[in-house]
Amino acid sequence: EVQLVESGGGLVQPGGSLRLSCTASGFSFSSHWMHWVRQVPGKGLMWVSRINGDGTTIHDADSVRGRFTISRDNTKNTLYMQLSGLRAEDTAVYYCARQFLGYFDLWGRGTLVTVSS
Amino acid sequence: DIQLTQSPSSLSASVGDRVTITCQASRDIAKNLNWYQQKPGQAPKVLISDSSKLQIGVPPRFSGGGSGTHYTFTISSLQPEDFATYYCQHYDNVPISFGQGTRLDIK
Repeated sequence: EVQLVESGGGLVQPGGSLRLSCTASGFSFSSHWMHWVRQVPGKGLMWVSRINGDGTTIHDADSVRGRFTISRDNTKNTLYMQLSGLRAEDTAVYYCARQFLGYFDLWGRGTLVTVSS
Repeated sequence: DIQLTQSPSSLSASVGDRVTITCQASRDIAKNLNWYQQKPGQAPKVLISDSSKLQIGVPPRFSGGGSGTHYTFTISSLQPEDFATYYCQHYDNVPISFGQGTRLDIK
């Protein structure tokens, strides 16, 4: 089955760290740009970061640059996001998404990150 | 950075109505615009890509258009399953961005 499954979310204190994972199955993972998109509960979508197929090109949103690091392991068909220096405003559902041509054609169900003391 | 201004932010309509949502970009994005539908508790789903290309399996009552900085998304005859939140998204360059969303409710 073609799918993306996120994991690694949870409750973390301000200033803390967390690593999110997104495991892909059913398609050629290394052929696709992959993205992280987040959504504060009840609010809109915000693009966070993207990485190309071989992991050599990365782009981040200004609000997370220097704190969040996207990476991938194509041998494990897994996308990662290392979150550090977490703030209350980083509380959100984090989705991984596959890029096809210019759009996101496959999304995971998301993993909730809650930053609170 | 490109800003997308989506309007209206919310909309109440009835089954059978025709509704149109607009998305204004802060500069020319050359039709590099997609539309997504999101239902509560679900991930977004792409409906329209490249301003007007209907995704496979998406009913033809959905359509998109526009160019330059101005884009529209139309549902020609609302069905009960269409009540959801809709987002535009550009991919002209990075950072990628989404519109603020349009929540479509039943009147």
